[in-house]
Amino acid sequence: DAGITQSPRYKITETGRQVTLMCHQTWSHSYMFWYRQDLGHGLRLIYYSAAADITDKGEVPDGYVVSRSKTENFPLTLESATRSQTSVYFCASTLTGVGDTQYFGPGTRLTVL
Amino acid sequence: GDSVTQMEGPVTLSEEAFLTINCTYTATGYPSLFWYVQYPGEGLQLLLKATKADDKGSNKGFEATYRKETTSFHLEKGSVQVSDSAVYFCALIDQGAQKLVFGQGTRLTINP
Repeated sequence: DAGITQSPRYKITETGRQVTLMCHQTWSHSYMFWYRQDLGHGLRLIYYSAAADITDKGEVPDGYVVSRSKTENFPLTLESATRSQTSVYFCASTLTGVGDTQYFGPGTRLTVL
Repeated sequence: GDSVTQMEGPVTLSEEAFLTINCTYTATGYPSLFWYVQYPGEGLQLLLKATKADDKGSNKGFEATYRKETTSFHLEKGSVQVSDSAVYFCALIDQGAQKLVFGQGTRLTINP
């Protein structure tokens, strides 16, 4: 049971580059989420998806793009990375919706120089 | 919008001490409340939850009671272990925005 995985686990990039963080889940959960974790802010929702081809903005979507062509994958793209996007990124999924228990991936630590 | 406030950390205790991590919330309506735990190098995992007033969530010796009158959901454990060292997040479901809202997290360190 692989669960929910993220790749890469660590990434260093430069300002202005495009970066894609991958998230894959094996449970066929309908909902998937992207959060960023920063000191003093807890976790903040970037984007979420209720099903394949359905995505919506969260609290801090600016500078990020998502897609969901397949139920099991939910990639997050930083189109032109900025230093303020240095953070730890977590992907999560739930079976039926926001009120359901969320299962988190191990996280990707992204550093933008 | 809805919000969650946790006691500031870090919190350092000795093994077998009593633990309380305070959590209060601001919300319209009656949200479901959660405690998530993040062990070093890992993602978050659900520790316990409560869905209505006076409900008590419990797991692994941890407990929290949904107190509507004080808008609180404090996490307690009677005797902590070194393995409880982690970051603890209080959270609620914002029904209007349909999202999970987290507190800032409390880092707990247990010394042997």
